Order: sequence, then structure tokens, then C-alpha cells
Amino acid sequence: GAVVSQHPSWVICKSGTSVKIECRSLDFQATTMFWYRQFPKQSLMLMATSNEGSKATYEQGVEKDKFLINHASLTLSTLTVTSAHPEDSSFYICSASYDTGELFFGEGSRLTVL
Amino acid sequence: DAKTTQPPSMDCAEGRAANLPCNHSTISGNEYVYWYRQIHSQGPQYIIHGLKNNETNEMASLIITEDRKSSTLILPHATLRDTAVYYCIVRPFSGTSYGKLTFGQGTILTVHP
Repeated sequence: GAVVSQHPSWVICKSGTSVKIECRSLDFQATTMFWYRQFPKQSLMLMATSNEGSKATYEQGVEKDKFLINHASLTLSTLTVTSAHPEDSSFYICSASYDTGELFFGEGSRLTVL
Repeated sequence: DAKTTQPPSMDCAEGRAANLPCNHSTISGNEYVYWYRQIHSQGPQYIIHGLKNNETNEMASLIITEDRKSSTLILPHATLRDTAVYYCIVRPFSGTSYGKLTFGQGTILTVHP
């Protein structure tokens, strides 16, 4: 299947700093990418939908000023967690969508805020 | 978006078929049925999707009832590596683009020797 890559796979940062996570579709062009967050023993929660060249659409309850999403090209979307705090520690996962309907996920990025 | 209902957990013996049910009684005509699985601490893995016809690929088969209110994912010969959380999701299609995937709680499938 298609490959979606995330970087970094894990990151530890101090409270108050910002962290950027990259999501790349390696072998196809993704017009739409989705960002999810997953806390331990819970299901994935959709944070936002990212369309190339336009502003992201955030789900209710997700702070757009805290979770900055940029989809600058058809193969790259980035999520920046600004002024991170311990409660932002989570597993962040991106996905990229084919026009034919398949949607593939990255390996996830585990963020730990101290 | 239509919601899905899945049993919280299931067991299966290695080498036997695993049949995972999903109820989506409020599904709309433009919504596809998707199945994903997630192994601990990894991103979800796409398995299969379909609209109304049964589908089969190298991983699994998807059986959708004629009224589309329920479906079954079949792993024909389960292995220990198939132990994972399996998610059944309905995803809308507008005619030109697909909508978002909203995950429920899924079914924890445990394959035992």
C-alpha cells in the first residue's frame, strides 16, 4: 500500500516550547490530509482536516491557535504544537487520502511534554 | 455521519477464520464502510473498504448485508500477528470527494495459539 511517513516518531520537549511534526506522502499526491490525536487506551480523535493550499478545518474543541496545521504541498503537511504543556502529551497520527478512497496512516509521533 | 457498533472484544484460535461484525444501521446511501486495524503504538493500517458489494483483497474479505445496515470483516486464517484493535468506520462520499474518518472504540481481537 501507499506510504505515509511521519517525523519525528517521538519527541520530548520542555513545557512552553513548540514542536513541529511532519507528515509526508511518499509515493502519491494527497490533496487531503487528516490529523488525529490518541491518548492511552483510547480511540483516535480527529483534530483537523488539511487541504493543500487552503486553511485547515478544525474539529470542535480543538484550538486552532495551539495546533497550527500547514499543508504547503501535495506531499507534506505539518502540525505545530505551540507552547506545549504536559496535557498535550499524546500520540499524534496523520493520514493522507487517495482520490480513489483509500486513506493511509503514518506511523505516529509520540509527544512527551515535561 | 453514521455511527457504528462493534463488540468490545473477540477471541479467535490461530489458523481459524476471524469474523468481526459491525452494525451501521443508520448508514446513508453515500457512505462507504471502511475497516482499519491498529496494533499497539502504531498508526492504523488500512484493511478494506466497500459500498454495497462484497469485497476481497489479500488481507481480508468484507461482507455487507443487502440492506447495508451491517457488515462482517473476515480474516480467513488468523495468525498471532492479527491481534489488534479493529475499527469499522463509515465514510461519506460527496460524489467528488471523500469525507473524514471518525473512529469509534473498535473491537479488540485476540488470536491465541
